[in-house]
Amino acid sequence: SQQGEEDPQALSIQEGENATMNCSYKTSINNLQWYRQNSGRGLVHLILIRSNEREKHSGRLRVTLDTSKKSSSLLITASRAADTASYFCATDQSYSGAGSYQLTFGKGTKLSVIP
Amino acid sequence: DVKVTQSSRYLVKRTGEKVFLECVQDMDHENMFWYRQDPGLGLRLIYFSYDVKMKEKGDIPEGYSVSREKKERFSLILESASTNQTSMYLCASSHSGYANTGELFFGEGSRLTVL
Repeated sequence: SQQGEEDPQALSIQEGENATMNCSYKTSINNLQWYRQNSGRGLVHLILIRSNEREKHSGRLRVTLDTSKKSSSLLITASRAADTASYFCATDQSYSGAGSYQLTFGKGTKLSVIP
Repeated sequence: DVKVTQSSRYLVKRTGEKVFLECVQDMDHENMFWYRQDPGLGLRLIYFSYDVKMKEKGDIPEGYSVSREKKERFSLILESASTNQTSMYLCASSHSGYANTGELFFGEGSRLTVL
């Protein structure tokens, strides 16, 4: 079942602009992660934010988390053509008891950065 | 560089054929996962494994089985391929333990077409 839902489904911006993607989820979480996928390739982990954190930065990435609204946003500043990709949020839906978490992914936001 | 390797990037099979998708990771991860990815549906979990010879069903296990005989290898099996199993298949792995955040490391994907 889908836990996270990204918004918008697609986003097209000019190089140098900022890109903001949003993720909403339904149940309580321990952490939320963002992944990136280049066309036809596997997903790559970008950043993780824990449920007790409100904001986190990594290079040009800024992630916020609002647990009261069950939402997160990913901001990419000063976008580049190389940022063109799909971006997914993932939440830990359940604790397996075996010491690991099962992640559930949203459907993704397709970002196009025009040179 | 840590790696998750999927044996085939592209496969074309006929309806009714038995299909094996192989995945190997070199990070000594306890957990391994198989997802399928379809346009508009995002990533959906098929099966996962927390240990050798152990498997658990994900959200969409019907028509699939898995095998984990060695820690580094997780195979997805389509006993009798059907056209609705045409998809991109993604293998992933992660560490276990209570400090684990669930960050997944993905392979490059196997695009399967069933004719």
